[in-house]
Amino acid sequence: DVKVTQSSRYLVKRTGEKVFLECVQDMDHENMFWYRQDPGLGLRLIYFSYDVKMKEKGDIPEGYSVSREKKERFSLILESASTNQTSMYLCASSFGGGGYGYTFGSGTRLTVV
Amino acid sequence: RKEVEQDPGPFNVPEGATVAFNCTYSNSASQSFFWYRQDCRKEPKLLMSVYSSGNEDGRFTAQLNRASQYISLLIRDSKLSDSATYLCVVTRQSSASKIIFGSGTRLSIRP
Repeated sequence: DVKVTQSSRYLVKRTGEKVFLECVQDMDHENMFWYRQDPGLGLRLIYFSYDVKMKEKGDIPEGYSVSREKKERFSLILESASTNQTSMYLCASSFGGGGYGYTFGSGTRLTVV
Repeated sequence: RKEVEQDPGPFNVPEGATVAFNCTYSNSASQSFFWYRQDCRKEPKLLMSVYSSGNEDGRFTAQLNRASQYISLLIRDSKLSDSATYLCVVTRQSSASKIIFGSGTRLSIRP
């Protein structure tokens, strides 16, 4: 089974802190994604990467950056956490594009206080 | 207007009932369609793809209506374990950045 592992299940950070969310997948998938999920808004794409060192902005990249130095690892960085970044963050990977066969990690619930 | 819209529910139906819900999309160029299931406090998981000809997987049937721009999910003989949020997913192109998730429809099956 494809596994996507997110480093933390719950995180509490202070406003202004730099926050790192880590995601690792073990199936040699090309594509990796970071979403945030908020009630009533669904999943919104923050950034995605289709190869090592490649990244593209999603719909809501402001306040975030990403890093993909190795194929299996995709990191989301909140440069200066703010309270409006309190959310559930979901990492996903897939072999190809198009929405089929996404495998999600179990999510990180981030609270910024 | 959202590009993908779903009735948030909750749909509350008795065990054994048949339940159906729709998802509408606004972009006529949308290419691929899927239903994902998300259990409470868990990650979404692919339930099924939706094909133009309609497709069935056990008790689940998915339909696509391109003319009216909606997809549907029908669940027959519902089980308690079907209680979850069902997310509609629409892709505009075969590109990772063009995948749109609906905000989900909550389904609750009561004994």
